[in-house]
Amino acid sequence: EAEVAQSPRYKITEKSQAVAFWCDPISGHATLYWYRQILGQGPELLVQFQDESVVDDSQLPKDRFSAERLKGVDSTLKIQPAELGDSAMYLCASSSSGALYEQYFGPGTRLTVT
Amino acid sequence: GENVEQHPSTLSVQEGDSAVIKCTYSDSASNYFPWYKQELGKRPQLIIDIRSNVGEKKDQRIAVTLNKTAKHFSLHITETQPEDSAVYFCAATSGGYQKVTFGIGTKLQVIP
Repeated sequence: EAEVAQSPRYKITEKSQAVAFWCDPISGHATLYWYRQILGQGPELLVQFQDESVVDDSQLPKDRFSAERLKGVDSTLKIQPAELGDSAMYLCASSSSGALYEQYFGPGTRLTVT
Repeated sequence: GENVEQHPSTLSVQEGDSAVIKCTYSDSASNYFPWYKQELGKRPQLIIDIRSNVGEKKDQRIAVTLNKTAKHFSLHITETQPEDSAVYFCAATSGGYQKVTFGIGTKLQVIP
């Protein structure tokens, strides 16, 4: 069964450093989501792509976060510089045609900023 | 934007009993309501969903009800088993690009 891939699974970095996360959605899925999940809370949408276009980034801290999906397939989320409050699980999800269809989540990247 | 409230935040039940988790949403245009189960250290997985044109949906021991007028929906798990222990998230989908807003989650503990 196809799955969403993410790397790395774990990342420890010092504050003020740059970090990047990678996501490869299920083949053929046009919609890709990046979520941040703080321990004990639900996932919070950071950015949503439809193919290569950003359709929602209203909750993305644009002064330090950036995301791209250049060819409409895999995607990268970057944080520069990282802050202590960025420690969280970063989840990527994809769906075949918007959120009316099931979102499949990747295993996530656990980020710890020291 | 959409706001989803979920309660209770924690729920303990005896094995075999039923569990009910309730959510409310704010955007009357929301039209899709998935429920996710997340086990410790694992990714969220869809367990059931309901669309706004349906009032109730059942899948074995799991059922979801939707009251559009009151803007609330609920998850019902019957005959709970220890493997049902996890965090459950409700969500509501709204807007032109179908943004998904999650509730804060309910930690369910099924006591053997």
